[in-house]
Amino acid sequence: SQKIEQNSEALNIQEGKTATLTCNYTNYSPAYLQWYRQDPGRGPVFLLLIRENEKEKRKERLKVTFDTTLKQSLFHITASQPADSATYLCALDPAEYSGAGSYQLTFGKGTKLSVIP
Amino acid sequence: EAQVTQNPRYLITVTGKKLTVTCSQNMNHEYMSWYRQDPGLGLRQIYYSMNVEVTDKGDVPEGYKVSRKEKRNFPLILESPSPNQTSLYFCASTISGRGGPGETQYFGPGTRLLVL
Repeated sequence: SQKIEQNSEALNIQEGKTATLTCNYTNYSPAYLQWYRQDPGRGPVFLLLIRENEKEKRKERLKVTFDTTLKQSLFHITASQPADSATYLCALDPAEYSGAGSYQLTFGKGTKLSVIP
Repeated sequence: EAQVTQNPRYLITVTGKKLTVTCSQNMNHEYMSWYRQDPGLGLRQIYYSMNVEVTDKGDVPEGYKVSRKEKRNFPLILESPSPNQTSLYFCASTISGRGGPGETQYFGPGTRLLVL
């Protein structure tokens, strides 16, 4: 069956360190993968989209990598701050072949990141 | 301001009493969708719509209906709510849903539904 997994439910990290979150998937060939931030009781907020032909994407202190061979995406927050504490979700388009897009997004269950001052 | 709005934000109802949760976006987006979020299960897609009058089932469509008569609105209808539909619901929209340049997905603030 198709599955998308985020490495851990919770991750605690010291302020100033780099947080690395993992998203693994099986039995998909996604055309793109997205990362979102969700604060308690609020809707997810889009952070980054990376396409299958892109190895890496950056936005300020955020970096996302996408390895279609390993079927894995890594999400990094450098110089982490307490304000980065939130749940981070990865989501992918479960298209069976690249370029088509299936108009659906499947989400991982999220990793709750806590940045400790 | 670009946004997705949902109403109501909180709703308590009883089993079997039909309800509608409204969703509206002001960004002229083609693609809209509904999700439910439950502890331990994450976000799951209920229905989505690629454009006016075009809708399709997501992963958990049972017990729900949608319609897309106008581009900006995508209401979620529970004809006969049951307690297992108690959840946090999110509406979302994006330009086309195909992951192209600028394909940011915007989520609404959520509707917390309790079915007794």
